[in-house]
Amino acid sequence: EPEVTQTPSHQVTQMGQEVILRCVPISNHLYFYWYRQILGQKVEFLVSFYNNEISEKSEIFDDQFSVERPDGSNFTLKIRSTKLEDSAMYFCASAYLGAKRETQYFGPGTRLLVL
Amino acid sequence: GDSVTQMEGPVTLSEEAFLTINCTYTATGYPSLFWYVQYPGEGLQLLLKATKADDKGSNKGFEATYRKETTSFHLEKGSVQVSDSAVYFCALRTQGGSEKLVFGKGTKLTVNP
Repeated sequence: EPEVTQTPSHQVTQMGQEVILRCVPISNHLYFYWYRQILGQKVEFLVSFYNNEISEKSEIFDDQFSVERPDGSNFTLKIRSTKLEDSAMYFCASAYLGAKRETQYFGPGTRLLVL
Repeated sequence: GDSVTQMEGPVTLSEEAFLTINCTYTATGYPSLFWYVQYPGEGLQLLLKATKADDKGSNKGFEATYRKETTSFHLEKGSVQVSDSAVYFCALRTQGGSEKLVFGKGTKLTVNP
């Protein structure tokens, strides 16, 4: 069964460093999402991406964040200058089209720790 | 804005016990409602969903009914197994825009043999 994959599974970085989190969505999906979960808190929406552009972003998704689909398979989240409060589990999700879009398929997550 | 309030955990049950995890929501319009499950070390998996009032979603013995009058979508299972131990997330899908998911905080369930 097709699945969303994410790399790395864990990343430790120093405050102020740039990180890139990678996701490979399911191949025929057209909608892509990033969510995050700070330890003990809710899973929060960050950004959605469709047709090579951001379709919606949350207040969390400020100028330090960017997303890209550099080729036909990868979907990346970049944090330019990490802060301590960026430490969280980051989930990528993808969805198909039409009525099936409502089912978002999630990857296993990347646990980011900023020191 | 749209929000989901979910029963706080953790919940610990013995095998074959009855499970209820409460979930209520606040939303404009008529959102679709979901339960996702996260097993240890894995991603979020869709467990069940309901797209309109009075719909019942069901999967793997779990059920939840979309109750518009009480804005609820409680998860139930008649007889839990050790393998059901996981974190359960209630979520709604917003209408319009990117139709993002809005999640509850998650409820950790541990089932003991």
